[in-house]
Amino acid sequence: EDQVTQSPEALRLQEGESSSLNCSYTVSGLRGLFWYRQDPGKGPEFLFTLYSAGEEKEKERLKATLTKKESFLHITAPKPEDSATYLCVATSGTYKYIFGTGTRLKVLA
Amino acid sequence: KAGVTQTPRYLIKTRGQQVTLSCSPISGHRSVSWYQQTPGQGLQFLFEYFSETQRNKGNFPGRFSGRQFSNSRSEMNVSTLELGDSALYLCASFAGSTDTQYFGPGTRLTVL
Repeated sequence: EDQVTQSPEALRLQEGESSSLNCSYTVSGLRGLFWYRQDPGKGPEFLFTLYSAGEEKEKERLKATLTKKESFLHITAPKPEDSATYLCVATSGTYKYIFGTGTRLKVLA
Repeated sequence: KAGVTQTPRYLIKTRGQQVTLSCSPISGHRSVSWYQQTPGQGLQFLFEYFSETQRNKGNFPGRFSGRQFSNSRSEMNVSTLELGDSALYLCASFAGSTDTQYFGPGTRLTVL
């Protein structure tokens, strides 16, 4: 069964304290791996798409990487405004989107 | 380019009523998906429409239905509302070529 698992469920960081969020996936015929950011009560905001192992994407303090079994979202020197829930999503060969349950990130000033 | 829009943004209904939510995808996007998000269950897939045809469907009861119009706008309908239907309903659209979904701001439905 296709599955996406994110860890940790919640993470508290001090401002400037770098860390990584993990997304492990078991998906047949992976088409793409997506990262979204979601603020409370709002729709998810698209961050990155990764298609093949070894691929990396960067945007400001965020960097996403992909291997054959997992993806990482690295946050460098986070700021309080980076506080949000980060969602990992995988698409299978049948156009199904499999969502992880998210990592709730809190960055303290 | 305008993003995905959803109307209304907030709704309050009572049990037994029905509700219709609307979603306008990004211009040029032909696929629309609907999701229900609750604190306990996370994001759950309702259905996907592509060129007016339902392409995929999640595991929700028949009270949840949807449709897509020729201009790609989509509506979802929930009949005989239950307290457990209180949630944030999200719509997402994608062009197909990149598989990337872009989400709307959501409709917050509260059932009393």
